[in-house]
Amino acid sequence: EIVMTQSPATLSVSPGERATLSCRASQSVSSNLAWYQQKPGQAPRLLIYGASTRATGIPARFSGSGSGTEFTLTISSLQSEDFAVYYCQQYNNWPLITFGQGTRLEIK
Amino acid sequence: QMQLVQSGAEVKKTGSSVKVSCKASGYTFTYRYLHWVRQAPGQALEWMGWITPFNGDTNYAQKFQDRVTITRDRSMSTSYMELSSLRSEDTAMYYCACTSSADEGAFDIWGQGTMVTVSS
Repeated sequence: EIVMTQSPATLSVSPGERATLSCRASQSVSSNLAWYQQKPGQAPRLLIYGASTRATGIPARFSGSGSGTEFTLTISSLQSEDFAVYYCQQYNNWPLITFGQGTRLEIK
Repeated sequence: QMQLVQSGAEVKKTGSSVKVSCKASGYTFTYRYLHWVRQAPGQALEWMGWITPFNGDTNYAQKFQDRVTITRDRSMSTSYMELSSLRSEDTAMYYCACTSSADEGAFDIWGQGTMVTVSS
């Protein structure tokens, strides 16, 4: 099983600043990686797929990068609605899927 | 618009089974993989398995292999997830999600979730 490790577990950032979230795979997943945002009491929302492609309707301040085992989600200028939990997910090991443990992005 | 609507919350006894439904609308049900993901309170997302609605093929996470069954009814555009031999650790929100037409590995439509509570 491919293990996805996200860091940090919690990230404190001020509104308007940049946030950088990391996700590491225990073995290469090529570019078969997605990022999701989840707010309390809501289902997850797809942000990024293919490591760097924004999903429909996702603002340009969200960007994804990386390939192989190291990935980054960057939010360029944090808005109040961006404070949430973020998960990475690999799907290179199809048909098996794994998620990371999540990073909680909180207001500093 | 495309959506997945799940059945309501369940309260079950330890050792029993639960069956959750997920009805699709706004897209061709047979064109997209349908996955099931759960989330225990305060915990991370955990993938359970998927079904191909077109032919009913399934694949399960090893952790759930012996206890989960995912099925579908094409005529109803509905998938079902049944989990047996319930224990307290199965208390969680259960989500269905379908894969994106742009990338078959990413989940772009999610159901609202079904809370399953297991107690003795």
